[in-house]
Amino acid sequence: DQQVKQNSPSLSVQEGRISILNCDYTNSMFDYFLWYKKYPAEGPTFLISISSIKDKNEDGRFTVFLNKSAKHLSLHIVPSQPGDSAVYFCAATPGGSQGNLIFGKGTKLSVKP
Amino acid sequence: ETGVTQTPRHLVMGMTNKKSLKCEQHLGHNAMYWYKQSAKKPLELMFVYSLEERVENNSVPSRFSPECPNSSHLFLHLHTLQPEDSALYLCASSHPGIGSYGYTFGSGTRLTVV
Repeated sequence: DQQVKQNSPSLSVQEGRISILNCDYTNSMFDYFLWYKKYPAEGPTFLISISSIKDKNEDGRFTVFLNKSAKHLSLHIVPSQPGDSAVYFCAATPGGSQGNLIFGKGTKLSVKP
Repeated sequence: ETGVTQTPRHLVMGMTNKKSLKCEQHLGHNAMYWYKQSAKKPLELMFVYSLEERVENNSVPSRFSPECPNSSHLFLHLHTLQPEDSALYLCASSHPGIGSYGYTFGSGTRLTVV
């Protein structure tokens, strides 16, 4: 049973607009969440993270929102750029910042010029 | 270049072959991981090594055999694989636990079993 779910396999957005990628989780023990970005022929690279003691974390164009009661997090990219086109993986872990990462299936984002 | 190097980048092997995947990191990390990425599936954790000791084996078939001779190197030995084992195999490293930046991944080995 999947503990981290990314229900949208793909998303297409116009350049300059907002991209919103969603992630749901089922394990209430998860308390640290990360987003990774993956280009073809490369490994995933860390993008942004959030601890369960926060509900928002911002880094430049990227903001992650966490709704613990809904067990839902989202990644907002604004403004979207063509270079943001990649697969985005949501990951979670229990036990603070310790423990192994559990990943979702990923969402492929395409940003069109 | 992320600091985690995987070789080879691509590998085609027959079901009766024996091959090994190699992973190397010089980031000072002392935890290393093997993940499998199949099409339309989440990244699946296969093995975890912490301080050169295997601390997790996620019900992986014995045809996959990991080896961690030191904290900088990790191998995945493959023998008598099946076509369904074709996937991208990713190595990652971290400090114990994941810290604020999670894992550092290599670029992966694209394995095709014929």
